[in-house]
Amino acid sequence: DAKTTQPPSMDCAEGRAANLPCNHSTISGNEYVYWYRQIHSQGPQYIIHGLKNNETNEMASLIITEDRKSSTLILPHATLRDTAVYYCIVKRIGGFKTIFGAGTRLFVKA
Amino acid sequence: EPEVTQTPSHQVTQMGQEVILRCVPISNHLYFYWYRQILGQKVEFLVSFYNNEISEKSEIFDDQFSVERPDGSNFTLKIRSTKLEDSAMYFCASSTKGTGNSPLHFGNGTRLTVT
Repeated sequence: DAKTTQPPSMDCAEGRAANLPCNHSTISGNEYVYWYRQIHSQGPQYIIHGLKNNETNEMASLIITEDRKSSTLILPHATLRDTAVYYCIVKRIGGFKTIFGAGTRLFVKA
Repeated sequence: EPEVTQTPSHQVTQMGQEVILRCVPISNHLYFYWYRQILGQKVEFLVSFYNNEISEKSEIFDDQFSVERPDGSNFTLKIRSTKLEDSAMYFCASSTKGTGNSPLHFGNGTRLTVT
């Protein structure tokens, strides 16, 4: 599975949009981009995933560049409860395992 | 919303003892996983399980570890002879499919402390 690169930490003001970048320049055509988050020591929580097109759900939006080499997770109105570690993961279509990196620690500040 | 449940939430055991961690995956899911996270470190893949057999495992998942789906609802992780370095959070996960287009749903983990 392709490797991803994320900034180690980011800050965001409460109520503002949080834009979390991810680089996956070696992604191949049969690999999805997934985002999970982990709040404190809880289990990772699925947020959103996509293959080529931008995706939106009740939690977030995922913007994937046309060349698929990078993506951005957008939390439209961040709250204090969104403070967590956010993981960008690339997973191939036929793969069983999901590999977690170090992620981005997002601090939402009042 | 259906969720993955894990018991116990915290398990303390002595080195060399056997421990069984239990999970109830989401009912219509077919693929099951165990992950672990040592304090302050990354979430690490241990094993995936489908159709009553292991589909993939990591180097961490050695002969001391085993998994089982003893009935239609439970999924267990057994550590035969625990070591101090097995102390970690253990997360169970499940998914509808094993393909890339199927997100994992995680439980809130069992904190294993080996003394």
